[in-house]
Amino acid sequence: AQSVTQPDIHITVSEGASLELRCNYSYGATPYLFWYVQSPGQGLQLLLKYFSGDTLVQGIKGFEAEFKRSQSSFNLRKPSVHWSDAAEYFCAVGANDMRFGAGTRLTVKP
Amino acid sequence: GAGVSQSPRYKVTKRGQDVTLRCDPISSHATLYWYQQALGQGPEFLTYFNYEAQPDKSGLPSDRFSAERPEGSISTLTIQRTEQRDSAMYRCASSPGTPRSSYNEQFFGPGTRLTVL
Repeated sequence: AQSVTQPDIHITVSEGASLELRCNYSYGATPYLFWYVQSPGQGLQLLLKYFSGDTLVQGIKGFEAEFKRSQSSFNLRKPSVHWSDAAEYFCAVGANDMRFGAGTRLTVKP
Repeated sequence: GAGVSQSPRYKVTKRGQDVTLRCDPISSHATLYWYQQALGQGPEFLTYFNYEAQPDKSGLPSDRFSAERPEGSISTLTIQRTEQRDSAMYRCASSPGTPRSSYNEQFFGPGTRLTVL
């Protein structure tokens, strides 16, 4: 069965610092992988997705993620975090029956 | 419409009552999904529709939960005989593509916060 693990429940970084959020998945076939962001009181917004091809995927708001099949990982990165990036981030795998991780809450220190 | 909308945004009900939640997807989107999100957790898949067909109900937690999309657009999620454990955010999403197509980005609504007393 497909599943997603986000090992970090909460991460705090300073504004301007780099960010990496971890995601590990379990999936029987070539996975469809996603990162979503959820701000308080808002719906989930898609940051980026991977279906096939180049394993380094660029998304919105300066985010990128790298698919590593050998590690079953799809970590999200950003070179320089902005205060407005503070939110909850969810990794997801699948197509019709998408499975989400439990989320990582990002706090940005001034 | 401009985005996915859900109503009501908040619903408080007493244990044992039935509730119906509504989702208006982005017009012309083929696929519609329902998720349940408990506090501090990620969304859990409940079911999805491809137009009016409902190919997968595997995520519905019990037979008290049912969903409809009779005309392939608006959908409702009904919970009968609500229990306190049903308290959660219920999220709807729609997608222009069909599952497993290369363009199946899901656009999420703001959710309905259900509280069962």
